[in-house]
Amino acid sequence: AQTVTQSQPEMSVQEAETVTLSCTYDTSESDYYLFWYKQPPSRQMILVIRQEAYKQQNATENRFSVNFQKAAKSFSLKISDSQLGDAAMYFCAYSTFFGNEKLTFGTGTRLTIIP
Amino acid sequence: GAVVSQHPSRVICKSGTSVKIECRSLDFQATTMFWYRQFPKQSLMLMATSNEGSKATYEQGVEKDKFLINHASLTLSTLTVTSAHPEDSSFYICSARRQSEAFFGQGTRLTVV
Repeated sequence: AQTVTQSQPEMSVQEAETVTLSCTYDTSESDYYLFWYKQPPSRQMILVIRQEAYKQQNATENRFSVNFQKAAKSFSLKISDSQLGDAAMYFCAYSTFFGNEKLTFGTGTRLTIIP
Repeated sequence: GAVVSQHPSRVICKSGTSVKIECRSLDFQATTMFWYRQFPKQSLMLMATSNEGSKATYEQGVEKDKFLINHASLTLSTLTVTSAHPEDSSFYICSARRQSEAFFGQGTRLTVV
């Protein structure tokens, strides 16, 4: 069974600084998807970034980028120029390559932005 | 982008009653939807996979007679919590996938008193 591990329950960063959230996973599949979701106090799940495992290039979305290390099964999220609105729970998630499959979530990292 | 709508957002019910939560995909057809449960300060735990026109697949430890799932159309899945008890109080979230993306409802906060 696939598992997703987030070893940092809480992180904090100064506004405008950079922070990296860690995620590791375990799978025997060669093709799959990895995601980072943000859950603000409203509890609406918001997709931050997505990575297809067959793509070697790391995904980027504006201030958000990932460091995808397939061999190490590591998928970290880097947030640059942190903003107050980035404060939230961040969940790393895994899915098989098939479109109708469930997501398996990590335990989450609570990110606090210090003004 | 695709939208998944979940209703109600909050519900309070008396112990022993049943509560129905709806999950709709608004601009795409979803043959499969997922129901998650989230306890405070915890992650999302998959309860069941809802399949249009067939029985739902429940995760280990989830009581299928307590959490009834119906997926009667390609845009609607419902979760009914039957004979609710205070320990069923939680945050329930539905999700539907379109190709590689997963879209989530706004969630339902259930409080059983």
